[in-house]
Amino acid sequence: DAKTTQPPSMDCAEGRAANLPCNHSTISGNEYVYWYRQIHSQGPQYIIHGLKNNETNEMASLIITEDRKSSTLILPHATLRDTAVYYCIVRVRINNAGNMLTFGGGTRLMVKP
Amino acid sequence: DTGVSQDPRHKITKRGQNVTFRCDPISEHNRLYWYRQTLGQGPEFLTYFQNEAQLEKSRLLSDRFSAERPKGSFSTLEIQRTEQGDSAMYLCASSWTAQETQYFGPGTRLLVL
Repeated sequence: DAKTTQPPSMDCAEGRAANLPCNHSTISGNEYVYWYRQIHSQGPQYIIHGLKNNETNEMASLIITEDRKSSTLILPHATLRDTAVYYCIVRVRINNAGNMLTFGGGTRLMVKP
Repeated sequence: DTGVSQDPRHKITKRGQNVTFRCDPISEHNRLYWYRQTLGQGPEFLTYFQNEAQLEKSRLLSDRFSAERPKGSFSTLEIQRTEQGDSAMYLCASSWTAQETQYFGPGTRLLVL
């Protein structure tokens, strides 16, 4: 699976949009971009994933560049409860393969009042 | 659908003792994964099951570790002769198939004294 690079930490004001970048310049054509977050002492929580097109769900939006070498997770109106470590992961989705997730260091997002 | 559950949530043991953790995946998910997370690091893959078959083990899974999924539903992870280096959060995740999104449980936090 391709390696990802994320800033180690970011701050965001409550109520503002949080834009979390991720570089994955070695991504392959069949690799998806996944985002998880982990709030202190809890298990990772799935947020969103995408292949080529931008995606949106009730939690966030995922913007993937046209060359797929980077992406941005957008939390449109950050709240204090969004304070967490956010992990960007690229993985292949192939049947009968391991498909385990490889976590990097993630970005520690601090939402401030 | 109640999500992935893990039991116990916390375990304190003395070095040399055996411990066993249980994971109940989301109903009808046939893939089950175990990960380990040490303080300040992202989760690392340990092993996974497709139904009752254990298909891959990480080199992190020493011979003191054993995992089972006897009926293809819940899974157990046993650590024999615990060492202080085994202190970590043990996370379980499940997915419908190999290709689909993994959902994590809350984890079992182990402290070996």
